[in-house]
Amino acid sequence: GESVGLHLPTLSVQEGDNSIINCAYSNSASDYFIWYKQESGKGPQFIIDIRSNMDKRQGQRVTVLLNKTVKHLSLQIAATQPGDSAVYFCAEKKGNMLTFGGGTRLMVKP
Amino acid sequence: NAGVTQTPKFQVLKTGQSMTLQCAQDMNHNSMYWYRQDPGMGLRLIYYSASEGTTDKGEVPNGYNVSRLNKREFSLRLESAAPSQTSVYFCASSTGAGEKLFFGSGTQLSVL
Repeated sequence: GESVGLHLPTLSVQEGDNSIINCAYSNSASDYFIWYKQESGKGPQFIIDIRSNMDKRQGQRVTVLLNKTVKHLSLQIAATQPGDSAVYFCAEKKGNMLTFGGGTRLMVKP
Repeated sequence: NAGVTQTPKFQVLKTGQSMTLQCAQDMNHNSMYWYRQDPGMGLRLIYYSASEGTTDKGEVPNGYNVSRLNKREFSLRLESAAPSQTSVYFCASSTGAGEKLFFGSGTQLSVL
């Protein structure tokens, strides 16, 4: 999802369902991408990363998919839990910097 | 394991006042960063230090200065605070420039 300033895109899912959070990145030359999770009042926490020589990487309950053709990144969370409620950011490497997207809020309904 | 430590956690300034945000990491990381986060938005890079002895501007450097004091410490200074600098400031570090970042818990700054 794209950020529109104060109005974060929100994804609302039922506990136990799978979640898919999307991100469009800007630079076709970017070779490294990361997903972060940010809970209220805390700093971002690393979830999973992927390099451009891969199109899929799996972690524990999470999968990141990279589509370089359309410059799209997605984070899939399996069996979403209440503790997954947070804002999720994608980031792309540009030179020596990581540039962050606007974020998507994930709300998990019990 | 302290990781990345930022001080202070909260600060209120009047317009025109100056202050320095402190950041230290104990992971022997080469690179350090300062980001700001405005309500409902992503993080924007202010300044970074790819290695000890170097600093570079990020996306939004105006109104800020930084000092990489040593490998562990990277400070952010506001010389003359403005209300537009009201934000949450995050320090981060990584083993190499542009690699996985480890974040501190943030400093909430209000400029009145």
